[in-house]
Amino acid sequence: EVQLVESGGGLVQPGGSLRLSCAASGFTFSDHYMDWVRQAPGKGLEWVSRIRNKANDYFIDYAASVKGRFTISRDDSKNSLYLQMNSLKTEDTAVYYCARVKLGPMANKAFDNWGQGTMVTVSS
Amino acid sequence: EIVLTQSPGTLSLSPGERATLSCGASQSVSSSLAWYQQKPDQPPRLLIYGVSNRATGIPDRFSGSGSGTDFTLTISRLEPEDFAVYYCQLYAYSPLAFGGGTKVEVK
Repeated sequence: EVQLVESGGGLVQPGGSLRLSCAASGFTFSDHYMDWVRQAPGKGLEWVSRIRNKANDYFIDYAASVKGRFTISRDDSKNSLYLQMNSLKTEDTAVYYCARVKLGPMANKAFDNWGQGTMVTVSS
Repeated sequence: EIVLTQSPGTLSLSPGERATLSCGASQSVSSSLAWYQQKPDQPPRLLIYGVSNRATGIPDRFSGSGSGTDFTLTISRLEPEDFAVYYCQLYAYSPLAFGGGTKVEVK
């Protein structure tokens, strides 16, 4: 069974930092692109970042809203995905989900598994 | 940057009725469009990918269609568990885009 378990959320002051983790199990983690998606309270889904697999040179993308402040990384030996969040703003308050990208051609690369999410609250 | 616009914002229907949800793209896009269902306090669940392919375990009352800039998710007969928020997503472009969501509520 595929499992994605996020951790590391919490309350942080504006300007602070937080590191999120996503522990994966039940599949070959190293084969998949992995993403972070967030959802502010009562709002819709917002894509945050993607890291591709080794075969695609671990290429990384960020949403404009987090570029320069957030860093995505992965450790295939630990089946883990990370999101280092620096210079946090109140508008970063959200549930952060890690999501697995479906294998196959680009036309199929939707998010086929999601974690339960971890809440990040940025407030003074 | 491609923007996805979902309509209507809320759809009020009764169990057994047909639901038609729309997703419009700000420019013509490829077939890399997905639909997700989200219930309160749960993560999203993949329903449809590649415009019209049902994900594993998704019942056949859910279907997707469309091309170019206009895409549709149809639920042929609403079951009680189908009342939720639905999001479309474009995943082959950077930045990846989600629509704002359509809430399907009980009339």
